[in-house]
Amino acid sequence: NAGVTQTPKFQVLKTGQSMTLQCAQDMNHNSMYWYRQDPGMGLRLIYYSASEGTTDKGEVPNGYNVSRLNKREFSLRLESAAPSQTSVYFCASKFNKGQTGELFFGEGSRLTVL
Amino acid sequence: QKEVEQNSGPLSVPEGAIASLNCTYSDRVSQSFFWYRQYSGKSPELIMSIYSNGDKEDGRFTAQLNKASQYVSLLIRDSQPSDSATYLCAVLTLNSGGYQKVTFGTGTKLQVIP
Repeated sequence: NAGVTQTPKFQVLKTGQSMTLQCAQDMNHNSMYWYRQDPGMGLRLIYYSASEGTTDKGEVPNGYNVSRLNKREFSLRLESAAPSQTSVYFCASKFNKGQTGELFFGEGSRLTVL
Repeated sequence: QKEVEQNSGPLSVPEGAIASLNCTYSDRVSQSFFWYRQYSGKSPELIMSIYSNGDKEDGRFTAQLNKASQYVSLLIRDSQPSDSATYLCAVLTLNSGGYQKVTFGTGTKLQVIP
């Protein structure tokens, strides 16, 4: 009964390094989302994917790339990390059933860029 | 203008009182509205969803929606110290491709004082 699984849970990077955050869901959901959360900023949408093969930019996509590898997996890549990308990253997923559908969240990945 | 706006608080209420949390949104075609609760260091969890104008009650929680005013609220009756958390308002809209996008406000921190 895993739900939404994110890896890694913690990561420290140096400026300019690259890394990929992995997300997988086992609930057969259609849509998947990546958010970042900073103090006082709430959850800001980075990218989302309504189905395999489709991705769309959210509010803050600059500096990130995503891949919807299959229905289960949605990864977020930082090509050249910057201190401004220090944040907690949440992956979430949901069904596309009309206007309803709860977002299910992973436990978060805390990233620090030095 | 942010798509979803909330007062960041903190909102302090005494135990047993009613806590009133408010949210406004900018996109008139938004379809669905959600309230999530987030404890410090944890992932958001859904507590209420509302899709049509009026009130929706679930236990001590009541969500209110006014689409004409683009306004959503959450009332928590008989507030308990365990209700102390950040409450996030979320809005579901369809993008130009018909895909579902979920956008969050910055959250309101609620403190229930024993």
